[in-house]
Amino acid sequence: RKEVEQDPGPFNVPEGATVAFNCTYSNSASQSFFWYRQDCRKEPKLLMSVYSSGNEDGRFTAQLNRASQYISLLIRDSKLSDSATYLCVVNLFLTGNQFYFGTGTSLTVIP
Amino acid sequence: EPEVTQTPSHQVTQMGQEVILRCVPISNHLYFYWYRQILGQKVEFLVSFYNNEISEKSEIFDDQFSVERPDGSNFTLKIRSTKLEDSAMYFCASSEQSINQPQHFGDGTRLSIL
Repeated sequence: RKEVEQDPGPFNVPEGATVAFNCTYSNSASQSFFWYRQDCRKEPKLLMSVYSSGNEDGRFTAQLNRASQYISLLIRDSKLSDSATYLCVVNLFLTGNQFYFGTGTSLTVIP
Repeated sequence: EPEVTQTPSHQVTQMGQEVILRCVPISNHLYFYWYRQILGQKVEFLVSFYNNEISEKSEIFDDQFSVERPDGSNFTLKIRSTKLEDSAMYFCASSEQSINQPQHFGDGTRLSIL
């Protein structure tokens, strides 16, 4: 059973496009949620936390649906620099703070 | 901006040897983690560490692995009797607190077992 599932893509979109990524998680006890981005052979970097009420950071909007155990990320006005792999991350807090990563969704923004 | 630092950036080791990967977490962070990422695969949790002891570990983190905070700044991952399948990128991360806090990752150590 996969704790976190994402569509691996790849998504190839033109500059300026809007693109949305989805993610589902299996454990209803999951406590916190994040989107990270990872460039090729680099470390994951925090993009944004995901709050129950939904949240926005510039061109990026994250949504959480606890009932459906579903997280989304919307990127508006895509830039070339948005090309990366986007990782859905779920925290199932037990005794520590174990992060479960999705396999990532690959995005390429085309000029 | 404070960051997690890891050394070395690349470690090449003969199978069966022991390796120690080093990390300096962000100074005011209390929780420390190790993850690994085999090439082309997802990031996998290994272990979390708080108050000088392991707070959680995954099935991957067996007796071959150990962690230590030998002083006030370093956090190390030791892998004994390395195997070919230990070849991966190993990421250290830290967070201020545990619940609902994002983790900040170092830029990783690429471990190659020959």
